[in-house]
Amino acid sequence: DVKVTQSSRYLVKRTGEKVFLECVQDMDHENMFWYRQDPGLGLRLIYFSYDVKMKEKGDIPEGYSVSREKKERFSLILESASTNQTSMYLCASSSPPTGIYEQYFGPGTRLTVT
Amino acid sequence: DAKTTQPNSMESNEEEPVHLPCNHSTISGTDYIHWYRQLPSQGPEYVIHGLTSNVNNRMASLAIAEDRKSSTLILHRATLRDAAVYYCILSRTMNRDDKIIFGKGTRLHILP
Repeated sequence: DVKVTQSSRYLVKRTGEKVFLECVQDMDHENMFWYRQDPGLGLRLIYFSYDVKMKEKGDIPEGYSVSREKKERFSLILESASTNQTSMYLCASSSPPTGIYEQYFGPGTRLTVT
Repeated sequence: DAKTTQPNSMESNEEEPVHLPCNHSTISGTDYIHWYRQLPSQGPEYVIHGLTSNVNNRMASLAIAEDRKSSTLILHRATLRDAAVYYCILSRTMNRDDKIIFGKGTRLHILP
């Protein structure tokens, strides 16, 4: 069974802390994505990657960076966490040549920044 | 990007068919129609996609209007487990660079 796992289901961090959210997929997918989900705003794309060491900005990249050193792992980094980054973070992966066709999502990490 | 319009919420009885509508009047000829759903406390999961013809898979059917300005996701026999938010999404192509834009979706309630 295909699987996307995220390092934590719940995370509480303080303002100004550096935060790492890890995502691992076991399907040998080339494409990986980070979204955030907020009530009333739906899912919004932060960053995506379609190959190791490649990254592309999504719709709301400000305040975030990403790292893809290995094919199966895609990390989202909050350099200096702020309260407006409190959200549900979702990782997804898919296989080429398509980006949006049949994305597999992880269970999400609910991040609270205090 | 072409936009989709869905009802905020719908209700259906268990073991009955459910028809979830989606309007996309500005759809272009190369836009694919995708449906995802999100069960409570889970990430979204892919349901089905299509371009022009109706599509069936083990989860659902997708009926696409002849002018493609609307589509309907059909769950043939709803169960309590189908209670979720259903998202109708358009993508311009099937290329890797095409971004997925989730709207607010339809929250489906299943009554036992």
